[in-house]
Amino acid sequence: GQNIDQPTEMTATEGAIVQINCTYQTSGFNGLFWYQQHAGEAPTFLSYNVLDGLEEKGRFSSFLSRSKGYSYLLLKELQMKDSASYLCAVRDRDYKLSFGAGTTVTVRA
Amino acid sequence: IAGITQAPTSQILAAGRRMTLRCTQDMRHNAMYWYRQDLGLGLRLIHYSNTAGTTGKGEVPDGYSVSRANTDDFPLTLASAVPSQTSVYFCASSDGSGGYNEQFFGPGTRLTVL
Repeated sequence: GQNIDQPTEMTATEGAIVQINCTYQTSGFNGLFWYQQHAGEAPTFLSYNVLDGLEEKGRFSSFLSRSKGYSYLLLKELQMKDSASYLCAVRDRDYKLSFGAGTTVTVRA
Repeated sequence: IAGITQAPTSQILAAGRRMTLRCTQDMRHNAMYWYRQDLGLGLRLIHYSNTAGTTGKGEVPDGYSVSRANTDDFPLTLASAVPSQTSVYFCASSDGSGGYNEQFFGPGTRLTVL
């Protein structure tokens, strides 16, 4: 199984940078995903890492270290619309996802 | 239809009643999943299906059953609802053909069992 930890809440100012950490313990690693979920809505895919290193997609970047069981999601140039929950999910060899409890990010003006 | 649809959007149900949550996707994805989302616990996998005709148990399968008669539909049934099944239920699908194989989620069903 998977044990996935991420902070419960983070607050940042519009225009700033926020880094959301995720640590995991897994019996079979086959990729790590980050999803964004606005209140009352469905999760939507943000990023995917399967090899060590940084993946950049516009204002969002995600990093993975498989040896440390560690990932982070970096949100740059924060906007009010980035206020949401961010879910870290680890995929196993059977292609099933295990999710962390999510990190609620609040962006203040 | 575009993507994944779920029905109903929300439902209040008396304990002991039977309830089926519907999920339909039009992306011809092979794999489908049912999750429940509870405050502080995140998304937990209930049941999944890697392809039509097959199903498997996830992390929290007790009290739930599923079927996968065709590619598009993946209904979730609560045979006799209990208050602990009050939750938001999300259906998801993925194509299983390589690439990211990310899961796409439906809009969710908010279920309250009294």
